[in-house]
Amino acid sequence: NAGVTQTPKFQVLKTGQSMTLQCAQDMNHNSMYWYRQDPGMGLRLIYYSASEGTTDKGEVPNGYNVSRLNKREFSLRLESAAPSQTSVYFCASRDRISNQPQHFGDGTRLSIL
Amino acid sequence: GNSVTQMEGPVTLSEEAFLTINCTYTATGYPSLFWYVQYPGEGLQLLLKATKADDKGSNKGFEATYRKETTSFHLEKGSVQVSDSAVYFCALSDPNTGNQFYFGTGTSLTVIP
Repeated sequence: NAGVTQTPKFQVLKTGQSMTLQCAQDMNHNSMYWYRQDPGMGLRLIYYSASEGTTDKGEVPNGYNVSRLNKREFSLRLESAAPSQTSVYFCASRDRISNQPQHFGDGTRLSIL
Repeated sequence: GNSVTQMEGPVTLSEEAFLTINCTYTATGYPSLFWYVQYPGEGLQLLLKATKADDKGSNKGFEATYRKETTSFHLEKGSVQVSDSAVYFCALSDPNTGNQFYFGTGTSLTVIP
């Protein structure tokens, strides 16, 4: 019963490097989300995908791109990492049609030097 | 717009004390409301939810009532345990599309024996 799986769990990058955070869910959910969590700021939505084939910007999209590869997978890419993107990143999914709550992965802890 | 305001922490209580964490919201319409809990090193887990006015969500001894007149969804527990130590997030779903969730900044709770 995996739920939402994020890889990697930890990563250290140098400024300017690129990387992709992977997320996969096995609950047949139609909607998927990427958040970042910073101290004192709660969770802020970066991008979301309401259904397969669609993506939309959230509150803090600058510096990020996403791909909804298929119904299961939703990746987040940092093209040129900056120290301000040091954060904990969470992926979530939900069945929007039945108005279910979000299910979260365990997070990716990303440090950019 | 939509937003959630939660009581600032951290909160420290003795075991068996009564817990209240305040949450108020702003929304254009009638959102669904949620409380999530985050244990150290983990993602967020749904604690309880309420989908319409006067609904009471409950789980594991925690309760919250959807109060439309005061736009509030305060979390309560009659007798906390050490194992309740975690960060608690109040959230609402976009009342118009249901696509986006809006989170409070989180309240850290520590319960001491």
